[in-house]
Amino acid sequence: NAGVTQTPKFQVLKTGQSMTLQCAQDMNHNSMYWYRQDPGMGLRLIYYSASEGTTDKGEVPNGYNVSRLNKREFSLRLESAAPSQTSVYFCASRGGPQIPPYEQYFGPGTRLTVT
Amino acid sequence: SQQGEEDPQALSIQEGENATMNCSYKTSINNLQWYRQNSGRGLVHLILIRSNEREKHSGRLRVTLDTSKKSSSLLITASRAADTASYFCATDVPGANSKLTFGKGITLSVRP
Repeated sequence: NAGVTQTPKFQVLKTGQSMTLQCAQDMNHNSMYWYRQDPGMGLRLIYYSASEGTTDKGEVPNGYNVSRLNKREFSLRLESAAPSQTSVYFCASRGGPQIPPYEQYFGPGTRLTVT
Repeated sequence: SQQGEEDPQALSIQEGENATMNCSYKTSINNLQWYRQNSGRGLVHLILIRSNEREKHSGRLRVTLDTSKKSSSLLITASRAADTASYFCATDVPGANSKLTFGKGITLSVRP
């Protein structure tokens, strides 16, 4: 099992460019998440999908969109990148609402720099 | 305090010593989880303790939960240099629709 995979690992964008971060899991989990991690801020939830077919905003959704393509895949799109979106992005998954496993499994992260 | 707030923010100890990290939270929980993050990597789940449990062990890890005080502690015994990492607590709250709330983390440095 590969677990949670993310692509790309690194990306540099210019202000105003767009890109999509890809995430896939092979553990048959229902719930998937996108976080950003900035120094001193811990993990902040951007969007999540509690189950296939649903997506909801997290703590910091502005400037992002998501698509739950199928049960395995959950993508994060930056339509017009801004320097404030420079961060490390993590995708995670877990069983689902009231469904084990209750712990989250994380991908390796995408390091995004917006100049 | 916010939901899932760790204390201290940073901890530096000598190899072989024990490391104790604390987490406080505000609302009732289904469970509380601890994660580790090595530099430049994703978070890795360490241990989960349910709201009806008071103590749990896993190898050199011991977690306690006091729901009356809304607090948890993570003890790493006989620490090793390889334990150097950031540690996060996360709370699983009823009605949160499968979301976890993470704290800002504790940076643990274990000196050889």
